[in-house]
Formats: sequence, structure tokens, C-alpha cells
Amino acid sequence: NAGVTQTPKFRVLKTGQSMTLLCAQDMNHEYMYWYRQDPGMGLRLIHYSVGEGTTAKGEVPDGYNVSRLKKQNFLLGLESAAPSQTSVYFCASSQNEQFFGPGTRLTVL
Amino acid sequence: AQSVTQPDIHITVSEGASLELRCNYSYGATPYLFWYVQSPGQGLQLLLKYFSGDTLVQGIKGFEAEFKRSQSSFNLRKPSVHWSDAAEYFCAVGTPNRDDKIIFGKGTRLHILP
Repeated sequence: NAGVTQTPKFRVLKTGQSMTLLCAQDMNHEYMYWYRQDPGMGLRLIHYSVGEGTTAKGEVPDGYNVSRLKKQNFLLGLESAAPSQTSVYFCASSQNEQFFGPGTRLTVL
Repeated sequence: AQSVTQPDIHITVSEGASLELRCNYSYGATPYLFWYVQSPGQGLQLLLKYFSGDTLVQGIKGFEAEFKRSQSSFNLRKPSVHWSDAAEYFCAVGTPNRDDKIIFGKGTRLHILP
């Protein structure tokens, strides 16, 4: 039982490049979430999904897109990365309580 | 709209001393309440949660929290801290039956003096 896993763990991008972060969970949870964590800001919700094929905007969705084609996977995309998107990204899945992945540290130069 | 306030950005205590981390929330009804801990470079681990019932909640690692409706608070306590408790602590509030979404406070970083 791996819980929630995130790929990759680290990534460095140049401004304007694109990338996709993958989140996978093996707990059969319906709900999944993407957060970003910045110093002094706590965790802020980017997008979330309440089931396969559904997505919704969170608190800070601009510059990000998501897809939930399979129940166990939730993808976060950056189409044109900006330095303001330098952050640590956490994925979570939930059934009454949220379980978090280990995070992806992204640097945009 | 729901919100969470953690008034202390940093707290320093001596090893073996007691600890209380403050958390206040804003929500119209009884929320779900959580405390998470994050060690440096790590993900978030759930310490404890309150959904209903007994207002004193026991968690892992010797932590407990008390829900006080009249004060809209959910403070985290530990009678005797260990050096390994040095971490960042996040309080969070969720709305029952609302997509399991939760709102996080900005965190309190705990420092332990030897």
C-alpha cells in the first residue's frame, strides 16, 4: 500500500517551459487535490476533483490545468511556467480525511 | 467563508516543557478540525482530527487538542516536548459533506531548546 505518490520529486524549469506533475493513489479515494506551499502562506488549494472525469478550481488556479482521466491519478499541468510558480506542490486524496504525498519541489528560472 | 488563524508564527520551548499551539477558526456551523505536522523537507502527517463527540481529542505522538465551540478554538497541546517534535504545525478546518475540502492556517514553526 503506497498511499499517495508524486512524480517527480524535484524539477527545474526555464520560464515558458511546460511540465506535468503526476499524483497517484491506491486507496480508491474519490476526492483528490493539488496544493502549493510557499513560505509563510500555508497550503493553498490549486484544483481538486470529486471523481473520475471531474475537476474544479480551488483558491489559486491561474496558470495551472488538471485532469482526472483515471480514478487513481490526478495530473497537474503548467503550460507556460513562470518564476511565480516556484513552489512545493503537494497532492492529497481523501475519504473524510486527507492523505498527502511527499511533495514535488519545482523551481522556475 | 471559513478561515483558520494560527496567531503564532514561531514558538520556542525547552525540551521537556509543555506546549500549546493556538488555532482559531471561522465557520458558521460545527466544522471538521485537523492538526497536521510537517518535518523539514517532508509531507504532511495527520496528528489528530475532530469530527464530533468528545471535545478532547487524542492524537499520535502524545498530542491532544480541545475543541471549544464558544471560543472557536482548537488548540494543540503536549505535556512534555521532545527534540523530535521540532517541525511546522498546521491547523485546518473542513466543512462536513462539502467535497472534503479543507482550509489550512499559515502554520506555526516549533523550535526546541536542548
